[in-house]
Amino acid sequence: RKEVEQDPGPFNVPEGATVAFNCTYSNSASQSFFWYRQDCRKEPKLLMSVYSSGNEDGRFTAQLNRASQYISLLIRDSKLSDSATYLCGTTDSWGKLQFGAGTQVVVTP
Amino acid sequence: NAGVTQTPKFQVLKTGQSMTLQCAQDMNHEYMSWYRQDPGMGLRLIHYSVGAGITDQGEVPNGYNVSRSTTEDFPLRLLSAAPSQTSVYFCASSHPSGFEETQYFGPGTRLLVL
Repeated sequence: RKEVEQDPGPFNVPEGATVAFNCTYSNSASQSFFWYRQDCRKEPKLLMSVYSSGNEDGRFTAQLNRASQYISLLIRDSKLSDSATYLCGTTDSWGKLQFGAGTQVVVTP
Repeated sequence: NAGVTQTPKFQVLKTGQSMTLQCAQDMNHEYMSWYRQDPGMGLRLIHYSVGAGITDQGEVPNGYNVSRSTTEDFPLRLLSAAPSQTSVYFCASSHPSGFEETQYFGPGTRLLVL
């Protein structure tokens, strides 16, 4: 079983709609959590870190649920440019970063 | 700043050949790491370094060697390429607390082993 799991999608979202998806992690000792965005055949880039209290950056909201061991990402008012694969990352017991396989989001006109 | 650079962008190898994937960063980052990305598997950590002269293994280190003689460079060596090493390889760097910080990725090297 992978330590970080994501629904691969694709999540097909009409432009302007809201989409949300989760990432589950198995290591209860994980300390740091991230969402990265990866465009097709490009390198991953940090979208946002995820804090215990949850955090928002414009149309993007990230939440952490330690009890159920998952993080979530919500995208409001989806734009065509939001189409990408979203990777979640968590640090393991030794502080090393582990990634999920990614969730693909496709925003349609 | 160029950020993190990787060469080559593409490479085709025959089984058994060796090669070195180059990675360099100009941000004076202590942490550098190598990942491979395969469909359905996500990014998997191969090796990482917390500073010049210090390296350690990640999740999938077999078949790969690294060294870190300078802060800027972190080459990844494939000793005897196998088809299972066909993948996209990303180098990343971060500063100062390593994996708790933002990882800056290079553009990747696409490797095909025949």
